[in-house]
Amino acid sequence: DVKVTQSSRYLVKRTGEKVFLECVQDMDHENMFWYRQDPGLGLRLIYFSYDVKMKEKGDIPEGYSVSREKKERFSLILESASTNQTSMYLCASSPGDRFSNQPQHFGDGTRLSIL
Amino acid sequence: EDKVVQSPLSLVVHEGDTVTLNCSYEVTNFRSLLWYKQEKKAPTFLFMLTSSGIEKKSGRLSSILDKKELSSILNITATQTGDSAIYLCAHRAGNYKLTFGKGTLLTVNP
Repeated sequence: DVKVTQSSRYLVKRTGEKVFLECVQDMDHENMFWYRQDPGLGLRLIYFSYDVKMKEKGDIPEGYSVSREKKERFSLILESASTNQTSMYLCASSPGDRFSNQPQHFGDGTRLSIL
Repeated sequence: EDKVVQSPLSLVVHEGDTVTLNCSYEVTNFRSLLWYKQEKKAPTFLFMLTSSGIEKKSGRLSSILDKKELSSILNITATQTGDSAIYLCAHRAGNYKLTFGKGTLLTVNP
């Protein structure tokens, strides 16, 4: 079974802090994704990585950056957290190249609150 | 811009009922249509439908793709309380990107 592990289920931070969300997958997948999920808006893609050190912006990259130094790990960084970044953050991975038609497998999510 | 619309947004049924969830899409370059189930945490993959695989079935769940109508349905027969979840539909166009609908919240009462 594919295992995508997010480091925290719940996280509370303060406005202006730098926040790191970590995601690790154990299936040697090439592709990794960060989404945020908000009521009434569904899942929206923040960033995508198709290989180590390779990344592409998704639909809502503003205020976020990512890092992929190792194949199994994909980090989402909030450079200066703001209250509008309070959300559920979901990490996903999938095998194949960046045009692969394989399904994505999700982690359990991190519910992040910015006070 | 690719768009995925799910209906209804929420649904309450009794155990044993059969439900049909709908997903319609407006896309520029269809590759696949995916269904996920999300309970309290991770969305879990249910089905992927493509031009070469327009019907899938697993136990009480089944899904059909109608490429002419640009839509898909997810059927659940003999519903159980464990089927209570948000069901997500997503479309994949020419590249890696999945465009998700807002989901259908299904509540199955005993």
